[in-house]
Amino acid sequence: QKEVEQNSGPLSVPEGAIASLNCTYSDRGSQSFFWYRQYSGKSPELIMFIYSNGDKEDGRFTAQLNKASQYVSLLIRDSQPSDSATYLCAVTPGRRALTFGSGTRLQVQP
Amino acid sequence: SAVISQKPSRDICQRGTSLTIQCQVDSQVTMMFWYRQQPGQSLTLIATANQGSEATYESGFVIDKFPISRPNLTFSTLTVSNMSPEDSSIYLCSVDPVTRGLAGGRYNEQFFGPGTRLTVL
Repeated sequence: QKEVEQNSGPLSVPEGAIASLNCTYSDRGSQSFFWYRQYSGKSPELIMFIYSNGDKEDGRFTAQLNKASQYVSLLIRDSQPSDSATYLCAVTPGRRALTFGSGTRLQVQP
Repeated sequence: SAVISQKPSRDICQRGTSLTIQCQVDSQVTMMFWYRQQPGQSLTLIATANQGSEATYESGFVIDKFPISRPNLTFSTLTVSNMSPEDSSIYLCSVDPVTRGLAGGRYNEQFFGPGTRLTVL
C-alpha cells in the first residue's frame, strides 16, 4: 500500500523561528511532491511543489527532496502566527491523483 | 492556477437521502478528482472523473454509492447516495489544469475547490 507519513504534531515554534516539517513516502515511483496548507474549515491551498532532488525556495518556504531516502521536507523561515495551520504532504507518480499524508499541525506562538 | 467553485458549500441531510455536489472550473481541464475529508482526517481519493468515460473509483468506493458525472471538460458532479451519518465529511473536487501546456507526468499541480461540508443526521 502506498503511504505518506507525517508527524501529526502539533509542532510549536516561536514567532520568527524556522519551522521544519517532514514527510516520508513509500512509493519509489513517486515523481511529484507537494505541500499544501490547510486552515481549519478551509480547503487545501498549494504552497510548494518539487520534482527534483535538492532544494527549492519560494519566499519564506523551502522544499527539500531526497528521493534516495524517500524524504521530503518543508522549511518555513521567519514563521508568523498566520502560518499556523495543518500542512499536508502529497505525492504522485505522475498525472494522477495525489496520495496525502495525515498532515502536521503547526502552531506559531506570538 | 484554476478557479474552482463547488455547490452547495454545505448541507445538512437526512439519513437515506442523496445529495449531488457540483464542481465547476473556469477553464478546460483533463483531470478532475473527488476527495473526501472526514473530520480530523486527511484527504482520501474517492474517484477520478474522466470526461467521456466512466469514473475510476478507488478501493472502498463504489459507483452505486458515489455516482459521478463528467459531461465536459469544465464540470463534474458527485452524488452521495443513500446517506448515513458516516458520510458526514467535507467533499472536495480538485483539478489538474491542462491549459498550462506541460507535457509528461511530472507537472500536475492540483488545485482544490472550496469544498462541500456535508452533515448527515
